[in-house]
Amino acid sequence: DQQVKQNSPSLSVQEGRISILNCDYTNSMFDYFLWYKKYPAEGPTFLISISSIKDKNEDGRFTVFLNKSAKHLSLHIVPSQPGDSAVYFCAARANAGGTSYGKLTFGQGTILTVHP
Amino acid sequence: NAGVMQNPRHLVRRRGQEARLRCSPMKGHSHVYWYRQLPEEGLKFMVYLQKENIIDESGMPKERFSAEFPKEGPSILRIQQVVRGDSAAYFCASSSGANSPLHFGNGTRLTVT
Repeated sequence: DQQVKQNSPSLSVQEGRISILNCDYTNSMFDYFLWYKKYPAEGPTFLISISSIKDKNEDGRFTVFLNKSAKHLSLHIVPSQPGDSAVYFCAARANAGGTSYGKLTFGQGTILTVHP
Repeated sequence: NAGVMQNPRHLVRRRGQEARLRCSPMKGHSHVYWYRQLPEEGLKFMVYLQKENIIDESGMPKERFSAEFPKEGPSILRIQQVVRGDSAAYFCASSSGANSPLHFGNGTRLTVT
């Protein structure tokens, strides 16, 4: 039962253009969403997050959009740079009875390649 | 200002042996999480610990797996009688509070031959 899905295994983008990574979820209890970036042989690094009470959060070149009615979120990177090439994971956290902590449900990841 | 330290980075075990994975959280962090990543999959939650307490072990297999976070020393994930299906990357993460961002280590890659 894949509660967080990233349906695109890979994405290839030219340097300077926009990268859009997508994520869908099924669990209505998810109230907080995060994007992590992962290089080979390293652990995931936190990029950006969004609470379910918002529909957009921006941090420099990274913007996350949340569409709760569609249970869909996306990460926009603009402009894309070759150093952005990595695996990007979408993750979600559920509010369980008023308490929540770092128990995250991850998607399968999308490999982003940014060509110079 | 060391991050989350995991060792060993690579661990090879024969079927039936025991595997011990260690995790030292970031300084000042008392919340530790273990995640497992199987090939071609995302990370899956295993267990959440605070000092000397297991808070949530809902992602741990019922048998052969155990975790601890003692008052002194690193957190340990222990896998007894390993099988080939245990081969995966095991990531530890720590945070300063229950709702604080997770900081991940670089993982231990376990190979069972």
